[in-house]
Amino acid sequence: EAQVTQNPRYLITVTGKKLTVTCSQNMNHEYMSWYRQDPGLGLRQIYYSMNVEVTDKGDVPEGYKVSRKEKRNFPLILESPSPNQTSLYFCATRPPNIQYFGAGTRLSVL
Amino acid sequence: AQSVTQLGSHVSVSEGALVLLRCNYSSSVPPYLFWYVQYPNQGLQLLLKYTTGATLVKGINGFEAEFKKSETSFHLTKPSAHMSDAAEYFCAVSDRPRSGGSNYKLTFGKGTLLTVNP
Repeated sequence: EAQVTQNPRYLITVTGKKLTVTCSQNMNHEYMSWYRQDPGLGLRQIYYSMNVEVTDKGDVPEGYKVSRKEKRNFPLILESPSPNQTSLYFCATRPPNIQYFGAGTRLSVL
Repeated sequence: AQSVTQLGSHVSVSEGALVLLRCNYSSSVPPYLFWYVQYPNQGLQLLLKYTTGATLVKGINGFEAEFKKSETSFHLTKPSAHMSDAAEYFCAVSDRPRSGGSNYKLTFGKGTLLTVNP
C-alpha cells in the first residue's frame, strides 16, 4: 500500500526550540514536497525535492530547512520556531499526475 | 504565475440537493487540475483530476467536474448531497510536466467548506 508517513502528528513546542518533522514514503518516488495549511489561505508549498541531494524553495521557505539524503525521507527542520509557524503541515510525494499526501502534522509554537 | 479562485468559502446545501463548488484558475497554458477533499482532522484525499482527454471527469463518492477551457473553470458537482459529504474541498492546479524536470507544485485555492443540512 502506498504510504506517506509523517511524525509526529501533533507537536506543541516553544519559541526557539529546534524541531524536526519527519516524512517517509514507500513508493520510491523521486519528487517530495512540504506544504503548510493555514485557515483561509489553503495550502502553500514550503520546499520541494526533485531527487536525493536536490532541494529547492517553494513559495514560503522562510524559517524552514530541509534535507534529502536518501530517497525515502524528506525531513522538515525548524531551527528556531516562531509562533507564526503554528500551522498544519503536509508532506507529499508525486508519481505522474497525482500527489499522495501524508496525514499531516499539527504544530503549535508558543 | 498560476492562481486558483474558489468562489464561496462556505457552501451550505440540504441533504439530497445538488452540490456545486466553483473553481476558476489562471494559467498561461491549460494546467493539470485537481479536486481534493479534507474531512475534519484528516489529511487530503484526491477526489478527481483532469490531465488530458475527456473534459468531464468522474471521481470518487459520486463527484464529477468539467474542465472548460474557454471559461478557465473546473467546477465540482454532485447530483445529491449526503451528510457524509460535509468537509472542506480544495481545487488545485499544477503545471504540465516539462522535459528536464518540473516542480510539480500544486497551487491551491483557499478552500470551500461544505455543510450538509438534514
